[in-house]
Amino acid sequence: GIQVEQSPPDLILQEGANSTLRCNFSDSVNNLQWFHQNPWGQLINLFYIPSGTKQNGRLSATTVATERYSLLYISSSQTTDSGVYFCAVRTGANNLFFGTGTRLTVIP
Amino acid sequence: DTEVTQTPKHLVMGMTNKKSLKCEQHMGHRAMYWYKQKAKKPPELMFVYSYEKLSINESVPSRFSPECPNSSLLNLHLHALQPEDSALYLCASSQESVGNTIYFGEGSWLTVV
Repeated sequence: GIQVEQSPPDLILQEGANSTLRCNFSDSVNNLQWFHQNPWGQLINLFYIPSGTKQNGRLSATTVATERYSLLYISSSQTTDSGVYFCAVRTGANNLFFGTGTRLTVIP
Repeated sequence: DTEVTQTPKHLVMGMTNKKSLKCEQHMGHRAMYWYKQKAKKPPELMFVYSYEKLSINESVPSRFSPECPNSSLLNLHLHALQPEDSALYLCASSQESVGNTIYFGEGSWLTVV
């Protein structure tokens, strides 16, 4: 099956710092989503981004499908950004496979 | 309204109990999903229903039994579970085609004692 690897696995930032999270996938995909999982377990949609670049406030994402990677940028990080960030990819109509995750801790 | 509702939020059950997890969405989505997430691991796909029919079963043990009574509801029936089945169970839904976002509920935390 498809392999989805994220890096780094853990990241500690000072509040206000910027960061880049990476997602590599081993096969062609027709959908890619980024999620933030909060400490209570809820998966919050950040981006649906099979290709190209999108921005939403302090967050932006870029997917280069031909090179099989996606990047999530977090600028001016806040303590509320802490949690686990997952990318997830689809290879068919009705599946979604998650990456290994990046655990982000933002310290004041 | 992009909401998937799961109940209960927390469930503790014995190994001989029978219980059910419930999931509801009113977005008109025709694909619904169950995922299982163990601590410090990514969610893993268990089942997918498409137009109320089971389309994907990721080799899940029969002690987990999914049911889709109608296009808005998805249940997961639990029977004779083991302590290692303790996990966060996540329900999700999406439109039934490739280029659509999948939305998740808040999850049900299950502890098997």
